[in-house]
Amino acid sequence: AQKVTQAQTEISVVEKEDVTLDCVYETRDTTYYLFWYKQPPSGELVFLIRRNSFDEQNEISGRYSWNFQKSTSSFNFTITASQVVDSAVYFCALSRSNAGGTSYGKLTFGQGTILTVHP
Amino acid sequence: EAGVTQFPSHSVIEKGQTVTLRCDPISGHDNLYWYRRVMGKEIKFLLHFVKESKQDESGMPNNRFLAERTGGTYSTLKVQPAELEDSGVYFCASSHRRTGGKETQYFGPGTRLLVL
Repeated sequence: AQKVTQAQTEISVVEKEDVTLDCVYETRDTTYYLFWYKQPPSGELVFLIRRNSFDEQNEISGRYSWNFQKSTSSFNFTITASQVVDSAVYFCALSRSNAGGTSYGKLTFGQGTILTVHP
Repeated sequence: EAGVTQFPSHSVIEKGQTVTLRCDPISGHDNLYWYRRVMGKEIKFLLHFVKESKQDESGMPNNRFLAERTGGTYSTLKVQPAELEDSGVYFCASSHRRTGGKETQYFGPGTRLLVL
């Protein structure tokens, strides 16, 4: 069975602070995909990143960066110089992968972390 | 390109009534998923369509829930009769069916269902 744990229920920071959202996962699969989604107040889930299990290179996209560590089964998300617009619920998710390396099927989500960035 | 749309955005019904939720996926997406988030808990998978066929319905809670995707376009999720524990946010997601590629699910804004 797959499981995703986001231990931080709520985080509150002041604008321009850096913040890291933790994600720990469990799976018996040797290949899998990890995702982060953002849910702003408008409600829809916005895709942020997909990472496959055989690529442990960290990724940076503007103020966002992701640290994937297979040894500790973690896929943490850091926002540098946070802004008020970053306030949202952030979800980490996991999916299986077929032999061809395609992610497919249902996502297993963590409980989400509510991030509030104060001006 | 239009995103995933869901209707209604909110629904308040009484226990025992019937509610039908609708999802319109992104045009051309063969995969369609339904998920549900009960208050404060994680988002849980309900079922997965590939075109009009149910690929995986392992997450459907019981036989009060019926999902359809006639013609492989939009999908409906009917709850009949609704119970208090059915309250939550129902999300729909869609994706391309890729072979050898990478599937990303795009989500709609959700339908907030409250059963009184």
